[in-house]
Amino acid sequence: DSGVTQTPKHLITATGQRVTLRCSPRSGDLSVYWYQQSLDQGLQFLIQYYNGEERAKGNILERFSAQQFPDLHSELNLSSLELGDSALYFCASSDSGTNTGELFFGEGSRLTVL
Amino acid sequence: ILNVEQSPQSLHVQEGDSTNFTCSFPSSNFYALHWYRWETAKSPEALFVMTLNGDEKKKGRISATLNTKEGYSYLYIKGSQPEDSATYLCASPLGGGYQKVTFGIGTKLQVIP
Repeated sequence: DSGVTQTPKHLITATGQRVTLRCSPRSGDLSVYWYQQSLDQGLQFLIQYYNGEERAKGNILERFSAQQFPDLHSELNLSSLELGDSALYFCASSDSGTNTGELFFGEGSRLTVL
Repeated sequence: ILNVEQSPQSLHVQEGDSTNFTCSFPSSNFYALHWYRWETAKSPEALFVMTLNGDEKKKGRISATLNTKEGYSYLYIKGSQPEDSATYLCASPLGGGYQKVTFGIGTKLQVIP
């Protein structure tokens, strides 16, 4: 158990809908990262937050947004969903803001868009 | 190199064999190099985080080396066991410590009993 909690574990929805994925980092970790893993693809970096502020941004679609709240949990919002958004979304946390600490991954949220 | 690259993408070895794989990364603006082990139906788990040129780290039968000047790291597994079967990922924050932690595609290792 990494100490990182992601909900929901599985989600099935239709095209055009909006979903919210939630992540609670390990106790004390200030950095939260979001990654997308599509079929046969590696982990694609979406976005990183550190203590409530956006720290780094990857190729995150405009339809996707994220935030980190004062209690350090984070949410990833995916809207106007398309079939290609079906993927495993991982959240990870770290106690380092400078990416020298190991990342602790949650179990992932598997999104299926029909 | 502009991205994090790994080779080979897959590898089959016999139980007891030793093996190694490579991670290449941009040598400019290097900050850290991470190795993770990812077993099927689980989440990636960290093996090592290395920051200094010439770093060597070891955990049991697994070890890693780092060359930041030429932009590569090797992961070695000595005497592979079936339980070593997993995908091994490396990652690096591209562009400096505050930049996106970018993962390679991974090396999928299968150890045949």
